Amino acid sequence: DQQVKQNSPSLSVQEGRISILNCDYTNSMFDYFLWYKKYPAEGPTFLISISSIKDKNEDGRFTVFLNKSAKHLSLHIVPSQPGDSAVYFCAASMGVGTASKLTFGTGTRLQVTL
Amino acid sequence: EPEVTQTPSHQVTQMGQEVILRCVPISNHLYFYWYRQILGQKVEFLVSFYNNEISEKSEIFDDQFSVERPDGSNFTLKIRSTKLEDSAMYFCARGNNRGANPLYGYTFGSGTRLTVV
Repeated sequence: DQQVKQNSPSLSVQEGRISILNCDYTNSMFDYFLWYKKYPAEGPTFLISISSIKDKNEDGRFTVFLNKSAKHLSLHIVPSQPGDSAVYFCAASMGVGTASKLTFGTGTRLQVTL
Repeated sequence: EPEVTQTPSHQVTQMGQEVILRCVPISNHLYFYWYRQILGQKVEFLVSFYNNEISEKSEIFDDQFSVERPDGSNFTLKIRSTKLEDSAMYFCARGNNRGANPLYGYTFGSGTRLTVV
């Protein structure tokens, strides 16, 4: 049941350039979308989120864009840094409180090269 | 906010044995979760726990699994009779200062790698 999909298993970007990670979803009931970053042997770390009532949210070098009609979101990292190299997971939720479980995508491994 | 601490970091167990995975998410949160990640696959939801009760569980969370918050601080996941396919990373997570509003993210522990042999 692939409700959240990340079709690119890996991405390589040069330091200083823009990284664009993509995510698609199928369930129109999702209200919140999150991006998590994961290093090996660590748990996922929350990066940024967006509510379905918005189409853009920005936090420093990270911007998330949401296109509800296309059921698509993307994470932009500008400029990319070597420390950004990790696996990035897109996740979605249908609400708050007891409806708040996260459904994750399969992840995209980002490699930022010098 | 303080991190979520999970113990042990790695557990090897024989098939059929019981295991208990522990999490210390601090005591003044109400929402807790267990997720798992089988090697090479996505992170999957197992169970959510609110106000000392299970609020939702996935199809994976069958009768072999149970959760408890025995002392108001620790949060445990028990697998009664482990199977080979239970081998995975198990992550504990807690809600945030706004309860369980996903907009503010959840804090995950660093995980317990369970290996069933």
